[in-house]
Amino acid sequence: SQKIEQNSEALNIQEGKTATLTCNYTNYSPAYLQWYRQDPGRGPVFLLLIRENEKEKRKERLKVTFDTTLKQSLFHITASQPADSATYLCALDGSASKIIFGSGTRLSIRP
Amino acid sequence: EAQVTQNPRYLITVTGKKLTVTCSQNMNHEYMSWYRQDPGLGLRQIYYSMNVEVTDKGDVPEGYKVSRKEKRNFPLILESPSPNQTSLYFCASRRQSLANTGELFFGEGSRLTVL
Repeated sequence: SQKIEQNSEALNIQEGKTATLTCNYTNYSPAYLQWYRQDPGRGPVFLLLIRENEKEKRKERLKVTFDTTLKQSLFHITASQPADSATYLCALDGSASKIIFGSGTRLSIRP
Repeated sequence: EAQVTQNPRYLITVTGKKLTVTCSQNMNHEYMSWYRQDPGLGLRQIYYSMNVEVTDKGDVPEGYKVSRKEKRNFPLILESPSPNQTSLYFCASRRQSLANTGELFFGEGSRLTVL
């Protein structure tokens, strides 16, 4: 069955460092991979989308890589700030109807 | 302002008492979907709709019903709620086309407790 894993339930890093979150998947061939941010008690908010034929995508301090051979995506936040503390979800989008989400990584940035 | 609106935001009910969670979007999106979020399990899709009068099951549809009579509305119906349906529910929508599957826009969530 299709499976998506975000290998860290929680990640704590020092302000200013680069946070790297990992998303691995099996038994799936997504056309797109998306990353969302979720704050406590709120709905997820879209951050970035990367297509299967793209290796890397950037948006301000965010960078996403997508390796379809390794079946893995890496999500980087450079120069991290306490305001970046949140849960980050990766999502696989392989068809027009179904998006599968990982369980998320809770990121904490300490001052 | 573009948004997805869910109601109620919080609800405590008892086993077997039918309830409906409403969802409305003002972005003219074709695609709408319901998810539930439980600790350690992430977001799981319950039902989705590609357009008016077109609905289909997601991964965890048991105990739920939906309807899509209008493009903007996609209510989630629990005919006979049970305690295992206690969860945080999210409605989401997006544009639907072959060329662009795009981002999902989520509502603020509805926290349901079934006693």
